[in-house]
Amino acid sequence: KAGVTQTPRYLIKTRGQQVTLSCSPISGHRSVSWYQQTPGQGLQFLFEYFSETQRNKGNFPGRFSGRQFSNSRSEMNVSTLELGDSALYLCASSLEGREAYNEQFFGPGTRLTVL
Amino acid sequence: AQTVTQSQPEMSVQEAETVTLSCTYDTSESDYYLFWYKQPPSRQMILVIRQEAYKQQNATENRFSVNFQKAAKSFSLKISDSQLGDAAMYFCAYRSYNYGQNFVFGPGTRLSVLP
Repeated sequence: KAGVTQTPRYLIKTRGQQVTLSCSPISGHRSVSWYQQTPGQGLQFLFEYFSETQRNKGNFPGRFSGRQFSNSRSEMNVSTLELGDSALYLCASSLEGREAYNEQFFGPGTRLTVL
Repeated sequence: AQTVTQSQPEMSVQEAETVTLSCTYDTSESDYYLFWYKQPPSRQMILVIRQEAYKQQNATENRFSVNFQKAAKSFSLKISDSQLGDAAMYFCAYRSYNYGQNFVFGPGTRLSVLP
């Protein structure tokens, strides 16, 4: 079974631009979560989508948004990029249900650099 | 809200020796899951070991074992016979047993393995 895939793996943007990152979960996984990882702030939760609905949201400004499609693939968008948005963005998927609802599988991440 | 604390930002261990990474958490819930994730320099986050709070027996996976102290809200990871490939960031994580709750990650501990 293929793992979680994220595209692109690397991205360079300039301040003020917007960016869209994509995540394809493991087949059968309907929950997709996004995290921002920086050396200073560690791993911070952005949001989680389940069945095309945002189920949980972290403490990030409205410039960060996401969506999930009917095939469970998810995208996150960052508008009006700032230098501080430079980070590794990780996507993770998981199954639902009491027996399976206990592990997240992570993708390799997208390294975003804002100049 | 739940919080996860890892008080050791960095640790080092000699190859073949044993090392213990600390994790404490705060929650008012009685049912939850705890995890240790490993993130090697290649960046892919992978699950090391997991523990369900209702199970008193400490989880073990080959050279990795945990010391789960529910009353003390402590969840330490012991790595025996350390190998060079164990060098990575290690994240402790909490997830509620309740439906729809997101993961909460600790700040991480960077483990170096010395030859």
